Amino acid sequence: AQSVAQPEDQVNVAEGNPLTVKCTYSVSGNPYLFWYVQYPNRGLQFLLKYITGDNLVKGSYGFEAEFNKSQTSFHLKKPSALVSDSALYFCAVRDVGTGGFKTIFGAGTRLFVKA
Amino acid sequence: EAGVAQSPRYKIIEKRQSVAFWCNPISGHATLYWYQQILGQGPKLLIQFQNNGVVDDSQLPKDRFSAERLKGVDSTLKIQPAKLEDSAVYLCASQMASEQFFGPGTRLTVL
Repeated sequence: AQSVAQPEDQVNVAEGNPLTVKCTYSVSGNPYLFWYVQYPNRGLQFLLKYITGDNLVKGSYGFEAEFNKSQTSFHLKKPSALVSDSALYFCAVRDVGTGGFKTIFGAGTRLFVKA
Repeated sequence: EAGVAQSPRYKIIEKRQSVAFWCNPISGHATLYWYQQILGQGPKLLIQFQNNGVVDDSQLPKDRFSAERLKGVDSTLKIQPAKLEDSAVYLCASQMASEQFFGPGTRLTVL
C-alpha cells in the first residue's frame, strides 16, 4: 500500500534563509510525487510534481523539490524564504506502478517564516 | 480559465440532519474527486469519478455518504444523516493529465 509521511508538523525559518520541508513516501511501483500549498480558507494549490526525468523539479513561487529514489524522499526547498510563504504544505504520492489512480496526501507541514 | 467551483462555502447543521455539497469542475476535466479534510490532517479521498462513472469509492462511508455526477460534469456529495465526526472541509478537485485542481472547499460544522 502506498503512504506518505511528513515528519515535521511545523517548520520555522527566518525570512531570507533557505527552507526545507521534508517528505518521504512508500509505494510498490513507480511514484508520481506532488507538493501542494494551502492558505487559510483556500483550497490546495499545486506547486510542483515529479513524474519522470530530472530528479530536481522546479515549481511555482521559486520552490523546488528533489526526488531521491534511494531514500524514497521528495523534500521541498526554497533558497530564500519569504514571509508570504507561510502556509500549510502537503506532499502527495500516486503509485502508478500498480495502475492505481489514488493520490495519498501527507498530514501536512505548517511553515512559519518570520520577518 | 475558471477554476473549480464549490458551494456552499460554509454550512452549519445539527447532527442527524442532511446536507449536500455541489461541485462544478473545470470545463473538459473528465476526472473529479471529493476529499474530506479534517482539521490538522491531509485530504482523504472519498470518491473518484471518471466522467459519470465511479472509479474508486472504497473510503466513502456508504451508509451515510452518497455522491453522483450526472452527465459527467457537475457533482453533488450528500451526507444523510450527519454525525459530529463529519465536521471537516470537503474539497472537490478535477484533473487534467497528472495535475489536480482544487476548489475552495466547503467547511461543514456538525453541532
